[in-house]
Amino acid sequence: TQLLEQSPQFLSIQEGENLTVYCNSSSVFSSLQWYRQEPGEGPVLLVTVVTGGEVKKLKRLTFQFGDARKDSSLHITAAQPGDTGLYLCAGPRYNQGGKLIFGQGTELSVKP
Amino acid sequence: ETGVTQTPRHLVMGMTNKKSLKCEQHLGHNAMYWYKQSAKKPLELMFVYNFKEQTENNSVPSRFSPECPNSSHLFLHLHTLQPEDSALYLCASSPLLAGGPLPDTQYFGPGTRLTVL
Repeated sequence: TQLLEQSPQFLSIQEGENLTVYCNSSSVFSSLQWYRQEPGEGPVLLVTVVTGGEVKKLKRLTFQFGDARKDSSLHITAAQPGDTGLYLCAGPRYNQGGKLIFGQGTELSVKP
Repeated sequence: ETGVTQTPRHLVMGMTNKKSLKCEQHLGHNAMYWYKQSAKKPLELMFVYNFKEQTENNSVPSRFSPECPNSSHLFLHLHTLQPEDSALYLCASSPLLAGGPLPDTQYFGPGTRLTVL
């Protein structure tokens, strides 16, 4: 069974701090995605990482896919209150790319 | 309206009621999905439709009945639900149902917050 575990589950920090969120599995994934969900809204895709060791940057967000394609991390530099939300990682079922498996999410709160 | 819309946004129902959730996508996509999001649990994929054909029923109890009359509309009919069915129900769509190892981008609606009393 393919499972994704995220840590930490909750994170409360002050504006300007840096943070890292982790997504781990014992299974190999062909790719991993990161979504952000704000209160009252559905998840919105931030990035898809495909190649082992790949690093992608989206402004202050840096995403990394592990070399063995079993894990990923999201690093936020100088967090802002607008970064507050639920961060979800997701990966496709083996050879069923359209059917996603999600982690349980990391709830991030950035206080001004 | 643009993107993926869901109605109603909030629903409170008794265990003996029958209600329906509606999802509409204005993106010209061909695949649509129902997910259940419960507190502290991962999003659970419930149903998948590709070109109006159901391709996934993830062991969902029969008290949940999906309907996809066309590629733009998706319904979830509810009857004799249990309190543990209270959750946020999310609809999503994607251009196609990816069949290989790489996922397509899924676009989510805002969800229907369901409370079963």
